[in-house]
Amino acid sequence: QTVVTQEPSFSVSPGGTVTLTCGLSSGSVSTSYYPSWYQQTPGQAPRTLIYSTNIRSSGVPDRFSGSILGNKAALTITGAQADDDSDYYCVLYMGRGISVFGGGTKVTVL
Amino acid sequence: EVQLVQSGAEVRKPGESLTISCKGSGYSFTRYWIGWVRQMPGRGLEWMGIIDPDDSETRKSPSFPGHVIMSVDKTISTAYLQWSSLKASDTAMYYCARVPYDLLTGFDYWGQGTLVTVSS
Repeated sequence: QTVVTQEPSFSVSPGGTVTLTCGLSSGSVSTSYYPSWYQQTPGQAPRTLIYSTNIRSSGVPDRFSGSILGNKAALTITGAQADDDSDYYCVLYMGRGISVFGGGTKVTVL
Repeated sequence: EVQLVQSGAEVRKPGESLTISCKGSGYSFTRYWIGWVRQMPGRGLEWMGIIDPDDSETRKSPSFPGHVIMSVDKTISTAYLQWSSLKASDTAMYYCARVPYDLLTGFDYWGQGTLVTVSS
């Protein structure tokens, strides 16, 4: 079974830029996987940031952007702020209506 | 305003049945698939499956538990997740979420979550 891979953790300085990636244990991610990205802080429901590779969800600031970088999907946070300190999850579409979450990346802003 | 409002927290014993709900409002309920996501204590998000509110067609993860059923009542814009016989391993937070229009993947709006605790 294909596994969706994410970095376990990342640190970024306030005002800095960080790029998280979402890959496959076997194969390359393309726009055909319709990657989407979610932010979750402890005790809260997830919040949608990006879907269908690079479509920003309603109300999401433009410092969050989605793309394909090489063979992975990527979420870039530009100008990191303290409240970006969260867990970030990606989802990839596997076909036939089935999707899979990645294991998540814990981002620390310090 | 699009809203998904879930039913409240539940505590049950192993072997008992349970139904939790997710009511959509602020949009045309039958035009968007609804998905369910599980988060076990201290763990990440897991994609469980999606259901089409228009005709109740479902797509489920291969690891979707066999004793769990997705259903919907489009007349009251509500989706359900039902267990016939709960297990301790069903203890988790369950989220419903709306799939963006014309897609079968990703979510754009989320419910607040329903905590299910199964303990003897």
